[in-house]
Amino acid sequence: DQQVKQNSPSLSVQEGRISILNCDYTNSMFDYFLWYKKYPAEGPTFLISISSIKDKNEDGRFTVFLNKSAKHLSLHIVPSQPGDSAVYFCAARGSSGNTPLVFGKGTRLSVIA
Amino acid sequence: GAGVSQSPRYKVAKRGQDVALRCDPISGHVSLFWYQQALGQGPEFLTYFQNEAQLDKSGLPSDRFFAERPEGSVSTLKIQRTQQEDSAVYLCASSLAGTANYGYTFGSGTRLTVV
Repeated sequence: DQQVKQNSPSLSVQEGRISILNCDYTNSMFDYFLWYKKYPAEGPTFLISISSIKDKNEDGRFTVFLNKSAKHLSLHIVPSQPGDSAVYFCAARGSSGNTPLVFGKGTRLSVIA
Repeated sequence: GAGVSQSPRYKVAKRGQDVALRCDPISGHVSLFWYQQALGQGPEFLTYFQNEAQLDKSGLPSDRFFAERPEGSVSTLKIQRTQQEDSAVYLCASSLAGTANYGYTFGSGTRLTVV
């Protein structure tokens, strides 16, 4: 029973265009949502997060949108760059700061020059 | 060090062999997590330490898996009598207590292959 779902295993986008990565979750107790980026042979790197009290958080080219009623979040990258090519993981956790993160299976983004 | 250090980076074990994977968290980080990432999957939680106390081991898949952090810094994940299904990347992450809003800092992982 997957609590965090990333239904698109892969996504290809042209350089300069927008990349939209989607994530759905089932556990209504999740309070905090994060996106991680992973290059081959490296550990996941924190990218951006959002609390359940917000519906949008922006950091440079990266914006995360949260729709609590739909239990859906998305990561927008604009403009996409070749260096953004990586696997992106959506993760969620409960309200306590050190509860374990629950990860999706990831989406492999390829940005084509 | 500046980041979370894991060793070895790669480990090949014969089925039935015991292995020990080491994690050196960021200095001063109170919380330490172990995750298992199988091929094509996201990381899955194994266990959590706050200082030397193992507060959650609900993700350990069997009693062949054991983790310790005796002095509240370095942690070791031990797998006894390894099986092929144990083949995965084992990730360690650490965080300052109460600052997980920025997520954890992960190490590069240990890739375990059981043959």
